[in-house]
Amino acid sequence: EVQLVESGGVVVQPGGSLRLSCAASGFTFDDYAMHWVRQAPGKGLEWVSLISWDGGSTYYADSVKGRFTISRDNSKNSLYLQMNSLRAEDTALYYCARVNSGYDDAFDIWGQGTMVTVSS
Amino acid sequence: SYELTQPSSVSVSPGQTARITCSGDVLAKKYARWFQQKPGQAPVLVIYKDSERPSGIPERFSGSSSGTTVTLTISGAQVEDEADYYCYSAADNNLVFGGGTKLTVL
Repeated sequence: EVQLVESGGVVVQPGGSLRLSCAASGFTFDDYAMHWVRQAPGKGLEWVSLISWDGGSTYYADSVKGRFTISRDNSKNSLYLQMNSLRAEDTALYYCARVNSGYDDAFDIWGQGTMVTVSS
Repeated sequence: SYELTQPSSVSVSPGQTARITCSGDVLAKKYARWFQQKPGQAPVLVIYKDSERPSGIPERFSGSSSGTTVTLTISGAQVEDEADYYCYSAADNNLVFGGGTKLTVL
């Protein structure tokens, strides 16, 4: 079964750091670019970051640029999001999602998300 | 920066046709995709490349495009189609989502 499972979400104080992980299974992980997308409680979806299949290219939303770092370890079938200088507005459910070139680079597989709460 | 605008809500009776629009200048140059999200669940891709349907998505879901507006159409909407629907597009290595539309079928 094709699956993405996020982990690492916790309650953290403003200014703190956190690393999220996304474990992939059921497909050849290094064939796919990957994204992080977040959803604040009761709000819509917001794109966070993109990484190419080999990790050679990364892109970020302006709201997280300079604070978040996306990375991947293809030998471990894992995607990561290092989050520094966290703010209250970073509170959200964080999803990892797979890009499928067969669907014009649309996200075709999403995880169930991991919740990050930034609060003192 | 790019913006995509959706109506906040659409309501239809079962069996009727639901239409959800998504507007933005980027759509004149880039394809749109549509997601369905039910409460407590991860999003599901229902349309890509403006009008293409992924495998496993019912034929009642269709998409169309005209200028800077794309439309998701659900023909013969069913109660199980009640969900939030989001459009999104990509440009300059940035992705932008619409604000989402709550579809009520009752």
